[in-house]
Amino acid sequence: EVQLLESGGGLVQPGGSLRLSCAASGFTFHNHAMNWVRQAPGKGLEWVSSISGIGGGTYYADSVKGRFTISRDNSKNTLSLQMNSLRAEDTAIYYCTRDLPTLRFPSEGFDHWGQGTQVTVSS
Amino acid sequence: DIQMTQSPSSVSASVGDRVTITCRASQDISSWLAWYQQKPGNPPKLLIYAASRLQSGVPPRFSGSGSGTDFTLTISSLQPEDFATYYCQKASSFPLAFGGGTRVEI
Repeated sequence: EVQLLESGGGLVQPGGSLRLSCAASGFTFHNHAMNWVRQAPGKGLEWVSSISGIGGGTYYADSVKGRFTISRDNSKNTLSLQMNSLRAEDTAIYYCTRDLPTLRFPSEGFDHWGQGTQVTVSS
Repeated sequence: DIQMTQSPSSVSASVGDRVTITCRASQDISSWLAWYQQKPGNPPKLLIYAASRLQSGVPPRFSGSGSGTDFTLTISSLQPEDFATYYCQKASSFPLAFGGGTRVEI
């Protein structure tokens, strides 16, 4: 069974940093691109960042470019998101998602989602 | 960047109704479109990918169609468990983007 378990969320002051992690299990991790998607309170979904299976390709939404860094450790089946210079508008649930199994990057969709971790940026 | 626009933003329907949700891309995205269902307090669930391909385990009352810039998600006979919010997502190229969502309610 595919499992994605996010951790690392919490309350942080504006300008601060957090590092989110996603522990993956139940599948061959390096065969799938991975992503972070967020959802602000009462709002819709926003794509944040994606990374290819071997980690050679990374992409970011304009809203986080230069502040967030996505990475993965295929030896530990772990996806990470380093978030710096956090702003109030970064407050959201952050979901770790798995790409459909395909050679294409981006793939045709996200077939598995974690339960999410809450990030709150407030003084 | 390509923008995704869903309509309507909400729809009231009854059990057994046929429901259609529309998603429009600001530029041609071929068939690179996915649909998700999200219920309160839960992460989204993939329903449809490549515009019309049903994800494994999803009931056949859900169907997707369209290509280019105009896409639809149809629920042929609404069931009680289908009351939720639905999102489209462009998967053609980066940056990825979601539509604003359509809430299906009683």
